[in-house]
Amino acid sequence: EVQLLESGGGLVQPGGSLRLSCAASGFTFSSSAMSWVRQAPGKGPEWISVISGSGGITYYADSVKGRFTISRDNSKNTLSLQMNSLRAEDTAVYYCAKDVSRGRGTYFDYWGQGTLVTVSS
Amino acid sequence: EIVLTQSPGTLSLSPGERATLSCGASQSVSSNFLAWYQQKPGQAPRLLIYGASYRATGIPDRFSGSGSGTDFTLTISRLEPEDFAVYYCQQYGSSPPLTFGGGTKVEI
Repeated sequence: EVQLLESGGGLVQPGGSLRLSCAASGFTFSSSAMSWVRQAPGKGPEWISVISGSGGITYYADSVKGRFTISRDNSKNTLSLQMNSLRAEDTAVYYCAKDVSRGRGTYFDYWGQGTLVTVSS
Repeated sequence: EIVLTQSPGTLSLSPGERATLSCGASQSVSSNFLAWYQQKPGQAPRLLIYGASYRATGIPDRFSGSGSGTDFTLTISRLEPEDFAVYYCQQYGSSPPLTFGGGTKVEI
């Protein structure tokens, strides 16, 4: 059974940093691209970043480029998102999502339960 | 970036009725690379349809997807009580970025 378990969310002040993690199990982690998708309260999902199965290719949404960094450790089946210079508009539930492809990002067959990030003073 | 516009915003129907949800793209979606997801309160989205018309594993056949180019449709042939939720379309034909629509809420 595929499982994705996010952690690391919480309350952070504007300008602060936070690191999210996603522990994956039940599939061959290195064979799947992985994405972070966030959802602000009452809004639709917003894709923010993808990393290829090998970790060699990454892409970011313009809204987070230069502030967020996606990474993965295939030896530990773990996906991470380092978030710096956080803004109020980054407040959302953050999901890790398993891509059906190995490469650039397509669609998602499994999602974690999400972790809430609140940016507020 | 491809912008997806979903309509209507809310669909008020009764169990047993047919639901037709639309997703319009600002430009043609390459190879009909469009997916549909269902989301219930407090839950993550769940994949229903990929490639515009292919049902994901375990999805009942009352869910069907159609369309091409810039116009796509999700149809629920006979609404069951568990189908009342929010539905999102997502394109992956022109990525990055992957983009989602704003959602259609199907309510009783």
